[in-house]
Amino acid sequence: EPEVTQTPSHQVTQMGQEVILRCVPISNHLYFYWYRQILGQKVEFLVSFYNNEISEKSEIFDDQFSVERPDGSNFTLKIRSTKLEDSAMYFCASSGVFADTQYFGPGTRLTVL
Amino acid sequence: DAKTTQPTSMDCAEGRAANLPCNHSTISGNEYVYWYRQIHSQGPQYIIHGLKNNETNEMASLIITEDRKSSTLILPHATLRDTAVYYCIVRVTGGFKTIFGAGTRLFVKA
Repeated sequence: EPEVTQTPSHQVTQMGQEVILRCVPISNHLYFYWYRQILGQKVEFLVSFYNNEISEKSEIFDDQFSVERPDGSNFTLKIRSTKLEDSAMYFCASSGVFADTQYFGPGTRLTVL
Repeated sequence: DAKTTQPTSMDCAEGRAANLPCNHSTISGNEYVYWYRQIHSQGPQYIIHGLKNNETNEMASLIITEDRKSSTLILPHATLRDTAVYYCIVRVTGGFKTIFGAGTRLFVKA
């Protein structure tokens, strides 16, 4: 069964450093998303991406964040200068042509020291 | 997106049916009811969704009341591996964000 994959599973970085989280959405899906979950809190929407542009973003997704689909298979989330409060699980999701069900990846645990 | 109300936690005996309720009294006509679950800190796992008819798949059944103001997710034979947080979400289709609440923490006990 097709699934969303994410790398790395765990990323440790120093405050102020740039990180790139990678996702491979389900093949032939057209809508892509990033969510995050701070430990013990709810899953929060960050951004949605369709047709090579951001279709919606939350207030969390400020200028420090960017997304890109560099090729036909990868979808990335970049945090330019990490802060302690960026420590969280980051989940990528994708949905198909009808944009109905979103399928989530296993997540990347980001730890900012 | 409409707001949902779920119990904070529930217990279920292994092998018995787990019935997880959800209230969504302000649901709009074009909003679907989705159920996801999250085991530990893993990614949310899609379970099932429906608009107004009852639905069944290999994981669960979804019963939606006729007025669509509430629904019940049924896991017919719960196992220990079904221990997770279950999220009831109402949303339209079309590439929009999914808004997660606190969900119901289901404990399946031996």
